Amino acid sequence: QLQLQESGPGLVKPSETLSLSCTVSGGSISRSGFYWGWIRQPPGKRLEWIGSFYYSGTSYYNPSLKSRVTMSADTSKNQFSLKLTSVTAADTAVYYCARENACTSTGCYRDFNKYFMDVWGKGTAVTVSS
Amino acid sequence: QSMLTQPPSVSGAPGQGVTISCTGSSSNIGAGYDVHWYQHVQGTAPKLLIYRNTLRPSGVHDRFSGSKSGTSASLAITGLLAEDEADYYCQSFDNSMSGWVFGGGTKLTVL
Repeated sequence: QLQLQESGPGLVKPSETLSLSCTVSGGSISRSGFYWGWIRQPPGKRLEWIGSFYYSGTSYYNPSLKSRVTMSADTSKNQFSLKLTSVTAADTAVYYCARENACTSTGCYRDFNKYFMDVWGKGTAVTVSS
Repeated sequence: QSMLTQPPSVSGAPGQGVTISCTGSSSNIGAGYDVHWYQHVQGTAPKLLIYRNTLRPSGVHDRFSGSKSGTSASLAITGLLAEDEADYYCQSFDNSMSGWVFGGGTKLTVL
């Protein structure tokens, strides 16, 4: 059974870089057909999509965060990571990683807009404060 | 700003049914993009409940059903159980940002 686990520092200082990892067990991040995504939820606010990427390099980022976000994968560790630069208090949130799937019993789609998030991690809380 | 609108809360007695709405716009649901629904109990991993508007993943009870029409979608839950208490979120693709948007979430209380 596929499981995802987020990890990283729970406290980051303003203007610094937030770095998180998502360790995947029960499946390979380099298996074709899946995107891997990051989503966050600031306190009292809605879920916010940060970005999604394919292990081979294709990425999609939320335009509001694109200038500060980098996503990458370490296939040897079966992990993918998120880096968010120049953080402020507004980046305080619970951060989730998720697998994005576009396959059903009837077949698979290739268009990014046909994907859905079928497996999520439990999330990790990050506070931005000095 | 691209967003999906949900009622903040709904409630129902055990055994009853509730419906949660998700209203979008011409850049997301109204553009024909699929709607997905997630169930989230704080402190746990969000769970995919409905995908592609009406489909249930393996293991999700048929008490949960989804529908979509025009710029809106709905999640219906019948035969409420105490374990259904959770936050429910809708999600769709938005072509103005070329990415995913979520609803604000609806807290379900089973009375």
